[in-house]
Amino acid sequence: IAGITQAPTSQILAAGRRMTLRCTQDMRHNAMYWYRQDLGLGLRLIHYSNTAGTTGKGEVPDGYSVSRANTDDFPLTLASAVPSQTSVYFCASSSTGGPVKVEQFFGPGTRLTVL
Amino acid sequence: GEDVEQSLFLSVREGDSSVINCTYTDSSSTYLYWYKQEPGAGLQLLTYIFSNMDMKQDQRLTVLLNKKDKHLSLRIADTQTGDSAIYFCAEKSYQKVTFGIGTKLQVIP
Repeated sequence: IAGITQAPTSQILAAGRRMTLRCTQDMRHNAMYWYRQDLGLGLRLIHYSNTAGTTGKGEVPDGYSVSRANTDDFPLTLASAVPSQTSVYFCASSSTGGPVKVEQFFGPGTRLTVL
Repeated sequence: GEDVEQSLFLSVREGDSSVINCTYTDSSSTYLYWYKQEPGAGLQLLTYIFSNMDMKQDQRLTVLLNKKDKHLSLRIADTQTGDSAIYFCAEKSYQKVTFGIGTKLQVIP
């Protein structure tokens, strides 16, 4: 693994189903993030984690949950998917501390369609 | 709350300069960024500037920051077709990063 990976690449899901989007990074970054990207709305933060064992709510957390059991993994779960959750989901990570390490590294994205 | 605004679309001819503008509201911003998103991919950091700087130049890229007006711009000299992408402005204050909506740059050959 090099950098940050997401799975699946794309998924079509029936409304009401449960779905977990996976995100893994091998850069030992403390902080991880989940964004959704929608046309005309840009990137919106769903949940974040500043370090393993802690999580926080972003701008649009409703309908989503996250966990951070270890440094590398940050799964995003939709407990009961709804069509408004159709979007492209990006996971990102960043190190904390120091001016050079403020960059967020993004995964390739998961395109989710809820019918 | 914090807000970052950008225009949605910019079209330029190949070889011309592109200027993408951004305004932000958070006066406590410490870093400001430009990210590039190519079709079907995630965002990649293009450049960033500290809030105590006015200008940063990196090859074809020039970032200008007017902290008084809270205005950030990205100039791409000699724009190429490979520069076609969505460009996101972002600002960081404390531990939070706020992204703009993204400006789609179309380069006409």
